[in-house]
Amino acid sequence: GENVEQHPSTLSVQEGDSAVIKCTYSDSASNYFPWYKQELGKGPQLIIDIRSNVGEKKDQRIAVTLNKTAKHFSLHITETQPEDSAVYFCAASPNDYKLSFGAGTTVTVRA
Amino acid sequence: NAGVMQNPRHLVRRRGQEARLRCSPMKGHSHVYWYRQLPEEGLKFMVYLQKENIIDESGMPKERFSAEFPKEGPSILRIQQVVRGDSAAYFCASSPARNEQYFGPGTRLTVT
Repeated sequence: GENVEQHPSTLSVQEGDSAVIKCTYSDSASNYFPWYKQELGKGPQLIIDIRSNVGEKKDQRIAVTLNKTAKHFSLHITETQPEDSAVYFCAASPNDYKLSFGAGTTVTVRA
Repeated sequence: NAGVMQNPRHLVRRRGQEARLRCSPMKGHSHVYWYRQLPEEGLKFMVYLQKENIIDESGMPKERFSAEFPKEGPSILRIQQVVRGDSAAYFCASSPARNEQYFGPGTRLTVT
C-alpha cells in the first residue's frame, strides 16, 4: 500500500516568514495529493490539492508543488500569520478515495 | 450548507461495551469515508461507503468493527466489545463523487 512520509514534524516560523512542508510517497500510481489543516479539537480542513497532471498550484498565500519523478510534493505558505498555526497533513491516493496521510507537521507562527 | 456532522463528539465506553458513531454527510454527498486517528499520528483509512454499499473496507479490523450507510439516515460505525486500544478520534468525511473529501469534527472515543 501507499506510504507517505512528512517532514518536518514541527516547524516554528516568525510571522511574515514562509513555511515549507515536504512529503514523499511510495506508490507511483498515486495521482491525487490533498493538504489538510487541523486545528485543535477539530476535523481536518482541505486547504489545497493537486493532481498528477499538474506540477504546481497556487491559492493566495498557499501553493503546492509536485514532482512525480521524485515522488515528492510540498506545501508552501507565504507571509505566515498567527492563524496559520495548526497541524498540517499531506495525503496521497491512487484512486481518489483511499487517502494515505503523513504523520503531520505542527506549525507555530511566532508573533 | 451545513458541513459534515458527527455525533456524539465525545463517547466514553467501558471495556466490552458497544460504541456507535454517527455521521451525516454534507447535503448532496453520497460518498462517505471513515478514518481513525491515534494521538500524535495521521489519519488511517478504514472504510469507504456509498448509499447501501460498502465499496472498500480494507482498513477495517477484521473483527468487532462494522460500518453501514443506509438509504435513509446517517452512516454508522459500530465497534463491538470495545478494548482500550480502540480509544482514538474517529473522523467521517463525505464527497459528492470520488473527489475532495470534507471532514467532520470527529468523535473522540475513550475506553475505560
